[in-house]
Amino acid sequence: DAGVIQSPRHEVTEMGQEVTLRCKPISGHNSLFWYRQTMMRGLELLIYFNNNVPIDDSGMPEDRFSAKMPNASFSTLKIQPSEPRDSAVYFCASSPFGLAGGRTGELFFGEGSRLTVL
Amino acid sequence: SQQGEEDPQALSIQEGENATMNCSYKTSINNLQWYRQNSGRGLVHLILIRSNEREKHSGRLRVTLDTSKKSSSLLITASRAADTASYFCATALTQGGSEKLVFGKGTKLTVNP
Repeated sequence: DAGVIQSPRHEVTEMGQEVTLRCKPISGHNSLFWYRQTMMRGLELLIYFNNNVPIDDSGMPEDRFSAKMPNASFSTLKIQPSEPRDSAVYFCASSPFGLAGGRTGELFFGEGSRLTVL
Repeated sequence: SQQGEEDPQALSIQEGENATMNCSYKTSINNLQWYRQNSGRGLVHLILIRSNEREKHSGRLRVTLDTSKKSSSLLITASRAADTASYFCATALTQGGSEKLVFGKGTKLTVNP
């Protein structure tokens, strides 16, 4: 079975450019998460969708970041304009259970998108 | 401050030895999970232990949870070179009315052949 699919795997861009990261969750999973991983801050939750609706976006750093989930099989994370401090590995994860009512189950992660902003 | 913190930050052992990693957290949790990450790859779920459980086994993995001490440990028995990876604990908790899964910064395990 296909896991969570992310693209691109690597992106190198210049400061000020727009970056779009894409994610296809596992079919049937109703929750989707975007995490960012850096050496300094570890894994940070950026945003969490349940049934395509953003539930918690308190981790989104600032207005330069936006995320959408137009349907159950696709999500994007956009950074506009990008800055060098956005350089990180961005992970998408999906879950069949989501985060509700104390039933938080396991998350299935993609391989990540490594972003370098010069 | 970090909700879940692993200890030690790095661990180097010989193949065949046991590896123990610890995780401490600050607030009440619904469950605690352990994940593994190979270099350059995504995280893979290993085991989940609920707040009312004290110990759980899966193959060579043994996880304990002490809610009174707000701590958990992951034991890998008879380690193999292929166990070399970073290991993360993640705490599922309710914060501000919504549930979150908060990851620690991980323990980097090296198993030498």
